[in-house]
Amino acid sequence: DAGVTQSPTHLIKTRGQQVTLRCSPISGHKSVSWYQQVLGQGPQFIFQYYEKEERGRGNFPDRFSARQFPNYSSELNVNALLLGDSALYLCASSFIPGENTEAFFGQGTRLTVV
Amino acid sequence: TQLLEQSPQFLSIQEGENLTVYCNSSSVFSSLQWYRQEPGEGPVLLVTVVTGGEVKKLKRLTFQFGDARKDSSLHITAAQPGDTGLYLCAGARNSGYALNFGKGTSLLVTP
Repeated sequence: DAGVTQSPTHLIKTRGQQVTLRCSPISGHKSVSWYQQVLGQGPQFIFQYYEKEERGRGNFPDRFSARQFPNYSSELNVNALLLGDSALYLCASSFIPGENTEAFFGQGTRLTVV
Repeated sequence: TQLLEQSPQFLSIQEGENLTVYCNSSSVFSSLQWYRQEPGEGPVLLVTVVTGGEVKKLKRLTFQFGDARKDSSLHITAAQPGDTGLYLCAGARNSGYALNFGKGTSLLVTP
């Protein structure tokens, strides 16, 4: 069974550029969440989507946006990249959103901004 | 704001030793999840605890959720080099949609 798949696995961008990260959830899962993990820290919540609608947003600037498609896959977009955006971006898949719902993570996309 | 505080931050032990990792908060959580993460990989879910006072065992790993659902612990018996990794606790609150992670405990088990 395929787990959560993210692409690309690694990415190098320059300051000011834009980037799009992709995520395919586990088959049957309808909710996707995005997290940013800076080196030495735990993951920080960015967005959650369920049934193509945004259900939650963390404390990130408007440069960060996301969307979910009819097949439940998702994209995270970051505009006007800053050096501080360098991090591991994680996608988490769950069947439905909820406080007792288990989340399963992909391997992440390592973004380096130079 | 870090809702969950993990301790210790780093732990280096020898194979066969026992250890306990703590996850504490002043907030109440509906559930708490423990993950293990290896370098360059995503976190892998180990267990979810939901009920205050709940104890779950996964082979040599024992997880406990505090009675007040504000804290949790992970105990590893007879640690092995394969246990090496970053252990993360993450709590879900009644709002439901976001997991609040601690900074993690980095464990190194040497042969």
